[in-house]
Amino acid sequence: GENVEQHPSTLSVQEGDSAVIKCTYSDSASNYFPWYKQELGKRPQLIIDIRSNVGEKKDQRIAVTLNKTAKHFSLHITETQPEDSAVYFCAASTGGGNKLTFGTGTQLKVEL
Amino acid sequence: GAVVSQHPSWVICKSGTSVKIECRSLDFQATTMFWYRQFPKQSLMLMATSNEGSKATYEQGVEKDKFLINHASLTLSTLTVTSAHPEDSSFYICSAPTGFNQPQHFGDGTRLSIL
Repeated sequence: GENVEQHPSTLSVQEGDSAVIKCTYSDSASNYFPWYKQELGKRPQLIIDIRSNVGEKKDQRIAVTLNKTAKHFSLHITETQPEDSAVYFCAASTGGGNKLTFGTGTQLKVEL
Repeated sequence: GAVVSQHPSWVICKSGTSVKIECRSLDFQATTMFWYRQFPKQSLMLMATSNEGSKATYEQGVEKDKFLINHASLTLSTLTVTSAHPEDSSFYICSAPTGFNQPQHFGDGTRLSIL
């Protein structure tokens, strides 16, 4: 089955700096890669996703890149703000409506 | 926007009790829903895929007789934790895609505490 690795497990940045979280996956059949933000005790919220037919997608301060050959995808957050502090999970699936395999999560802390 | 509702949000009960958790899609139909379990400071682990009108598909290592799943309508899936024990205490959360090949949206989760 699919295995998703995520790094780093914790990330601390200064407000205004950029943050990068990286994930690798093992199943070459995976073609859908969402990123979720989860605040303490709350539901994961989809912040951006990318499908295997594109290499990069951007939504305001958030961008995701995908390297299918290397089975690697990354989340980039620019101009970080304190409200970006949360746990971020990457995931992989063989389609948007199919089961997700999650990475281990990254605790992002944006310091003033 | 798409909304997935989960109930109850918090359950505290004695060991041996069975607990039912409901997951509803409020503004879309979901032929498939997913049930995850999340222990503190850990990732979400898929327990099973709930299929409307048919049996659920369980992940390896998940006891289907302990975690009963029913998906009797296009908007409701239920997870029943039978004879719950303290080691079943966790955050249970459901998700559903809003359509074919569409992103999944999560319910608010149910925090289950077994004494």
